[in-house]
Amino acid sequence: DVKVTQSSRYLVKRTGEKVFLECVQDMDHENMFWYRQDPGLGLRLIYFSYDVKMKEKGDIPEGYSVSREKKERFSLILESASTNQTSMYLCASLQGVVDTEAFFGQGTRLTVV
Amino acid sequence: DAKTTQPNSMESNEEEPVHLPCNHSTISGTDYIHWYRQLPSQGPEYVIHGLTSNVNNRMASLAIAEDRKSSTLILHRATLRDAAVYYCILRLDRGSTLGRLYFGRGTQLTVWP
Repeated sequence: DVKVTQSSRYLVKRTGEKVFLECVQDMDHENMFWYRQDPGLGLRLIYFSYDVKMKEKGDIPEGYSVSREKKERFSLILESASTNQTSMYLCASLQGVVDTEAFFGQGTRLTVV
Repeated sequence: DAKTTQPNSMESNEEEPVHLPCNHSTISGTDYIHWYRQLPSQGPEYVIHGLTSNVNNRMASLAIAEDRKSSTLILHRATLRDAAVYYCILRLDRGSTLGRLYFGRGTQLTVWP
C-alpha cells in the first residue's frame, strides 16, 4: 500500500558532500514537492514540480536543486551540504487538480556533520 | 502568500470531542481548505478537505464558516491515537501557485487518557 517512498529514513553526510534524496510515487501524479521540517518552523517548501522536467522554486530553494526526469521520481540535490541543512526532508505528491489529497513519504532525517 | 493561523497547542480527554480552529482570512473563492495531521516520526497524512460546504468522512468533520475565512476540524471522539500535529492548509487554484499546499505551524493536539 506504499504510495510515496523516500530512499532513506536516516542519512549522515559530511559538510561539502553532494547529497541526493530520492522520492518515488506510484500514483501517476503530476505534482511532486520537497519540504523541509524544522522544530518550531513547520513545513517549508523547497521546490516543486508540476510535470516531467518542470520545476518551480518554493520558499527556501537556496542551496538546493531538483531533478525530475521521470514522472514518478523527484530528486532533491544538496550541491554542497552544510550543517544548516540538517533537517527532516519530506516528499509529497498529488494530482494536478485542487480537489484531491496529497500523499507524503515517511521522511528522511538528514544530519550534516 | 496565503496563510493560516492556528493555536499552537490544544488538549483533550479521551472520548471527548475536539474542535480545532483555523483562520484563513486571505482565502480566495476557489482555494480549497485541507487538513492534514502528522503523527510522531511520520509524514503528514490527509484528514479532510472542503471548499464551501461542511464535510464529513470516517476520520473527522470539517465545518467551514459562511464567509470561508475560518474553519474547524472536528474529531468527534478523541482517542490516544489522535495525538498529533494538525495542519490547516490552503490549496490554491491560481496561476503559478496551482496545486501548492501552504503549511502553517500546526496545532499540537494532546489527548489525555
